This record gives sequence, structure tokens and C-alpha cells, in this order.
Amino acid sequence: AQSVTQLDSQVPVFEEAPVELRCNYSSSVSVYLFWYVQYPNQGLQLLLKYLSGSTLVKGINGFEAEFNKSQTSFHLRKPSVHISDTAEYFCAVSRNAGGTSYGKLTFGQGTILTVHP
Amino acid sequence: GAVVSQHPSWVICKSGTSVKIECRSLDFQATTMFWYRQFPKQSLMLMATSNEGSKATYEQGVEKDKFLINHASLTLSTLTVTSAHPEDSSFYICSATSGGAGETQYFGPGTRLLVL
Repeated sequence: AQSVTQLDSQVPVFEEAPVELRCNYSSSVSVYLFWYVQYPNQGLQLLLKYLSGSTLVKGINGFEAEFNKSQTSFHLRKPSVHISDTAEYFCAVSRNAGGTSYGKLTFGQGTILTVHP
Repeated sequence: GAVVSQHPSWVICKSGTSVKIECRSLDFQATTMFWYRQFPKQSLMLMATSNEGSKATYEQGVEKDKFLINHASLTLSTLTVTSAHPEDSSFYICSATSGGAGETQYFGPGTRLLVL
């Protein structure tokens, strides 16, 4: 089984400041890693994902994340945030092997990012 | 990008009635659809995995007779909450994918259910 821990439930930050949202995972098998964003009253939208290859992944809206296998982390970063980045962010993992859980996502608890002017 | 719709977006019903929620992939064929439940200020919990033309696979602790899932076509899956009770009140979200584990899941906007 997999588990995901997002270390911060809420992150307040000022506009144009950098931000890092932390995510750690636990799994007995190799995983794929995802970051999703949920704006108020909307569904989840994929920001980026790591499947293989380069450990630094770039996504939409200027976000990037780095996969660190030794620390089992997949932290999300943005060098300069905007007011419009205010939303809830979810880290998720899925197995990258076959079996009954193939394709299923396990989500973290979510981190609410609030960008202040 | 791929679009997934859900209908209705919100529903209020009386205790004991059944409610059907539709999930549609609008511009792609979804071989697999997932149903999640999200409680206030909590994460998404997977309820079941639905593959077109076959029975849904339910997660441990999810009552299959309570939450009926039908995936009749490559673009439509339905979740029926039977004999709904107030504790079934929640935000139900579906997602759809056309591939396996590494493929992106596209999420619907969710359906808020309130059972009185």
C-alpha cells in the first residue's frame, strides 16, 4: 500500500514570494507521482507528474517539482507566486507496476496555499 | 485538454431516496473511471474503480450495494447512492483516464450531495 503525507495543511505567502509545498510518500513498490490543484468549487487539475527520467519536472503555471528517491519526497515549488495561485494543492501517487491497484491514486491531505497581496 | 463533466453539480434529497450522479468524458474515451469521496477539509478517498463493460472494483469499507456503479460506455459512468442517509452527505468526484497508471486522470467538477 502507498501513503502520502503533505507536511503543511496551510501555507500563507505574499505575492511574488517563492513557495514550496512539501510532500513525502511511502511505498513498497515504485510509484508515479502527481501534483493536482483544486480551485474553489472546481475539480482537480493536473499541475505536473513524474513518471521516469529527469527528477526535475516542470508543470503548468510556472510550477516545478523534484523527485528525491532517497528522501521519498516530491516537493512542489514556484519561484514567484501570484494571487491567482490561491488554491488547494494535492500530492498523489500511484503504483507503476501491474496488479489490482494499477492506476489508482492515493492522495495526501492537501495544502491550502493562500497568496496575500 | 480533456474534459470530464458531472451532473448534477449539487443535489438535495430526503433520507431514504436514491440519487444518481453521472460522469461523462466529453472528448475522449475513458477506459477507466474512478469515483472519489471528499469530506470537508479532507483529502479525496477512492471509493471504486470502474472499467467499461465490467463490474466495478470497490475499495475496502465501501458498500457495493449502497453505492452502485455502472460504466455502460466509454464515455459514461454513473454512481447511484441508494437509500441515502445524512451520513452519505459529501462531495463526490469522478475522474477518467484513457490509459494505465502513468496516464493522467482528468477530474470532474464534483457533485455535492446533501441528504436531509
